[in-house]
Parts: sequence; structure tokens; C-alpha cells
Amino acid sequence: DAGVIQSPRHEVTEMGQEVTLRCKPISGHDYLFWYRQTMMRGLELLIYFNNNVPIDDSGMPEDRFSAKMPNASFSTLKIQPSEPRDSAVYFCASSFYVISGANVLTFGAGSRLTVL
Amino acid sequence: SQQGEEDPQALSIQEGENATMNCSYKTSINNLQWYRQNSGRGLVHLILIRSNEREKHSGRLRVTLDTSKKSSSLLITASRAADTASYFCATAANQAGTALIFGKGTTLSVSS
Repeated sequence: DAGVIQSPRHEVTEMGQEVTLRCKPISGHDYLFWYRQTMMRGLELLIYFNNNVPIDDSGMPEDRFSAKMPNASFSTLKIQPSEPRDSAVYFCASSFYVISGANVLTFGAGSRLTVL
Repeated sequence: SQQGEEDPQALSIQEGENATMNCSYKTSINNLQWYRQNSGRGLVHLILIRSNEREKHSGRLRVTLDTSKKSSSLLITASRAADTASYFCATAANQAGTALIFGKGTTLSVSS
């Protein structure tokens, strides 16, 4: 497996534009997570899905942020309209949860977003 | 909000020395994980320790867990330049343990 695949790797856009980040999780994984990483706030959990269903979106900062998972192999995180304070690295991660175990996450390489 | 907080924020050592990073957390846990992040990359899982374990080893890594103090430590022995990275502890964000929250990490720099 190629691991968790994110695109684009880098995105530079202007304030007010729509941004769409994409993620392909590892095949067979039943959980998918979106995190945002900044120097100031570290890694923040934005939203996560189980079997394509959003479970907890309490970390999504504002209504400008939305995430979808239309099928088991694809998820998007959309920011509309984007603002300079959204500049960060956005990570997607996936996992296969073992009930008696723990959720070990596999991360993608991240999408670095710069909003001018 | 962060559950785990790593200490120190930054650590610089020479190759061959040992590096110790600490993590403190606030609520009870079933397990604690450590991840590494190389510059410009995603996080990579290193090791998991369960609440009923006190110590665990994996190669040059040694993790301890003290649930009474709500703290964990990661020891890297005989460090190498390739160990230069940020290290994060992660604990469950919910009771089921399905989502993880991470501390802000310790940035380790190993010079040759």
C-alpha cells in the first residue's frame, strides 16, 4: 500500500478563495482523521470519520470549514472562504481500530496551505 | 485542547548521547502513544504503552508510564543524527480511544 495520500502538497491562495484538500486513506482502514498543525497551536484534531460517517466535528474552527467522506477511499476538507489565519499544514490520517486495542494512526505527508 | 504536554520543548545533544523526553497528561488513559515527525513529513507511530504496563522497549527506544503521576517518558539511547525530529505523545480524545490528541512535541536535534 502507498500509505495515506494527500493532495495538494502545497497550496498558495489568496484570501477569500475556496480551498479543497484531498485525502486517500489506506485501503481497509475504517477511521479517517483531519488534523491541522501550526507552531502556535500544535496539532489540532478537526474532524474524524468512522466508516465514512462523521463522528466528531467539534474541532472544526468555523462554518467556513467542511469535510466530507463520500466513500471509503476518499475524503475532502474544504475551506470557503479562506483567511490568512487558516495557513497551516493539514494532515489526514487513517487507522484500523481494534476494539481490544488502541487506535494507531498512519499519517499522510500533509498539505501545506498558505493564504495570502 | 491538548491532553499531553511534552517537556522539554527543545533538546540538543551529541551523537551517542541519550535523549529523554517527558509527557504529562491530565485525565486517565487506557494507553499512550509516541510519534515522531521528521521535518516536512507526517507523523510516524513509534510505540504504544498500555495503562497496565510500566515500561516498554523497542530497539533503542524505552518508554515508561507512571499513571499515578500521569506522566510518560521516552528515552532514545545512543542517539544518531537520523533521530533528529520532533516527538509527540498522544492520548485518547474520547473514552472509546478512537481519536487521538497530541501534545506540542519535543524537538530533538542530534549533532554529529
